[in-house]
Amino acid sequence: DAGVTQSPTHLIKTRGQQVTLRCSPKSGHDTVSWYQQALGQGPQFIFQYYEEEERQRGNFPDRFSGHQFPNYSSELNVNALLLGDSALYLCASSLGQPGLILGGTQYFGPGTRLTVL
Amino acid sequence: EDQVTQSPEALRLQEGESSSLNCSYTVSGLRGLFWYRQDPGKGPEFLFTLYSAGEEKEKERLKATLTKKESFLHITAPKPEDSATYLCAVQDPDSGYALNFGKGTSLLVTP
Repeated sequence: DAGVTQSPTHLIKTRGQQVTLRCSPKSGHDTVSWYQQALGQGPQFIFQYYEEEERQRGNFPDRFSGHQFPNYSSELNVNALLLGDSALYLCASSLGQPGLILGGTQYFGPGTRLTVL
Repeated sequence: EDQVTQSPEALRLQEGESSSLNCSYTVSGLRGLFWYRQDPGKGPEFLFTLYSAGEEKEKERLKATLTKKESFLHITAPKPEDSATYLCAVQDPDSGYALNFGKGTSLLVTP
């Protein structure tokens, strides 16, 4: 059973450039969440996609955008990169349970290490 | 104000020396509390989910407990391979399904 996969593993960009990160959820999962993890910090929630729509968003600027495809895979796009965007970007998948009280467990991928020079 | 606070920030144990990690939270209504293990440069690995006070879960040398204000991750007779950062996260009604993480406890177990 394939777990969450992410690509690429590492990426080096310069300030002002744009980047696209990709995620395939765990088999059977339909919800994808993206997190940013700076060195020495816990992951910070960026946004969540379910049924190809952004359902929830954390405190991140509009430079961060995403997309979910019919096969449940997802992309994270970051425009006008800043030095402070350097981080480990994590994708997590879960089984969507909209309207239910309990949130489903999120399973994380290995992450994409983004370095902005 | 931080919703999730983990302590200690770092912990060094000798192999076989049991201890506990703490996760305190301040949310109005807990949907779930999650423990993850993270190795350097890797994604977090799911360990436990706890939903209500008094609940306990066990897996090998790890045991997670939950009260109304905090959770403990007890490590019994740890081994060097238990060395990792342990992350605690909560889901609350205000944040929907987003996980709010603490900064983690970095555990080092020496032979």
